[in-house]
Amino acid sequence: DGGITQSPKYLFRKEGQNVTLSCEQNLNHDAMYWYRQDPGQGLRLIYYSQIVNDFQKGDIAEGYSVSREKKESFPLTVTSAQKNPTAFYLCASMVAGLTGELFFGEGSRLTVL
Amino acid sequence: GQNIDQPTEMTATEGAIVQINCTYQTSGFNGLFWYQQHAGEAPTFLSYNVLDGLEEKGRFSSFLSRSKGYSYLLLKELQMKDSASYLCAPSKDYKLSFGAGTTVTVRA
Repeated sequence: DGGITQSPKYLFRKEGQNVTLSCEQNLNHDAMYWYRQDPGQGLRLIYYSQIVNDFQKGDIAEGYSVSREKKESFPLTVTSAQKNPTAFYLCASMVAGLTGELFFGEGSRLTVL
Repeated sequence: GQNIDQPTEMTATEGAIVQINCTYQTSGFNGLFWYQQHAGEAPTFLSYNVLDGLEEKGRFSSFLSRSKGYSYLLLKELQMKDSASYLCAPSKDYKLSFGAGTTVTVRA
């Protein structure tokens, strides 16, 4: 079945370490997104990419980096520069060129110890 | 941001109706989505409005007024499984912005 796979589902990290969250989709969607969710808050956009080899900063990009070398993959790196990295991270995809539905992965919960 | 405003919490009884209002400020917006999110899970799509008016989908309906920057989600015949957070998400330029969500608690 088509869908979006995020891994790992749970991740613990020590302060000062970088960590990379994986996001893979087989929906043949052009656009991919990373959101962050904190308790009691809405989803906030970190980065998005509408085509391969191109991506744009969202509202809270500081301390994060991404790459889009393949259509199917959009990994997110949480760097040590991110001051409050503990959060629930959601990857999503959409057919570009349309204002269509976002399809979400199951999320990755990152805890910094 | 797009100043998305929706109530924080609502409580209702099983079988009842609940209406979740959402206001937003945006120019050039494409349409408005509603998503349901159970605790610890990813959001799932409920509805999408691009034109003014009411869209009905089973027990759930959504209304949009573009000129007023206003939408609501109507949940009818509430069931215990409807206890969740409901996210209002206006769309602009292929990006969705999300409100903080309304936590609905359904009581027996």
